[in-house]
Amino acid sequence: QSALTQPPSASGSPGQSVTISCTGTSSDVGYYNYVSWYQQHPGKAPKLMIYEVSKRPSGVPDRFSGSKSGNTASLTVSGLQAEDEADYYCTSYAGSNNFPVLFGGGTMLAVL
Amino acid sequence: EVQLVQSGAEVKKPGESLKISCKGSGYSFTTYWIGWVRQMPGKGLEWMGIIYVGDSETRYSPSFQGQVTISADKSISTAYLQWSSLKASDTAMYYCARREVRYSGYVFDIWGQGTMVTVSS
Repeated sequence: QSALTQPPSASGSPGQSVTISCTGTSSDVGYYNYVSWYQQHPGKAPKLMIYEVSKRPSGVPDRFSGSKSGNTASLTVSGLQAEDEADYYCTSYAGSNNFPVLFGGGTMLAVL
Repeated sequence: EVQLVQSGAEVKKPGESLKISCKGSGYSFTTYWIGWVRQMPGKGLEWMGIIYVGDSETRYSPSFQGQVTISADKSISTAYLQWSSLKASDTAMYYCARREVRYSGYVFDIWGQGTMVTVSS
């Protein structure tokens, strides 16, 4: 199994929108609507931001949204704020025949 | 409050054994999966394995199969990650996380604070 592919970095100015991609295969991202996104600030534990492609847990601002097209999922952060500067990781369910979950390599989001 | 509390930082020598812990509280620990994640210094997150606490069914990522052992003691709401012979390359932060069963797929909603393991001669 290969990790999911994310761009190493992304950036935007305060108030702008930025989209981070997560590319898998037709066996994981493309087959299941089970993509999650996690935010990790330096020195902190990851935090769940999006699950099941586009759903937000309670407490996550609606500036964070998720979508999917084919084998690529995306996380969009609208109205960028300084506190959004963090690493973002996607995960996808990969089926019960394999280890069931894959991580992306992570994207460092800079708010300029 | 639902939380996972991990054991403290460890400094060990190559070849030594180690067992770190992750204690859950505020929820029914036995009806959830607990996953372990490695983060090497300056690197990304890697799934190591997961355990269903209720019956100790365990799955390992291929990269970690045979390298670590994941276990749980449901009587004390604690999951464990252990090594029999540490290597310098095991130096990393290790996180435990709870799989939220209300969500489809493998979604981890509660995370421990992390345990830093340093292996150095």
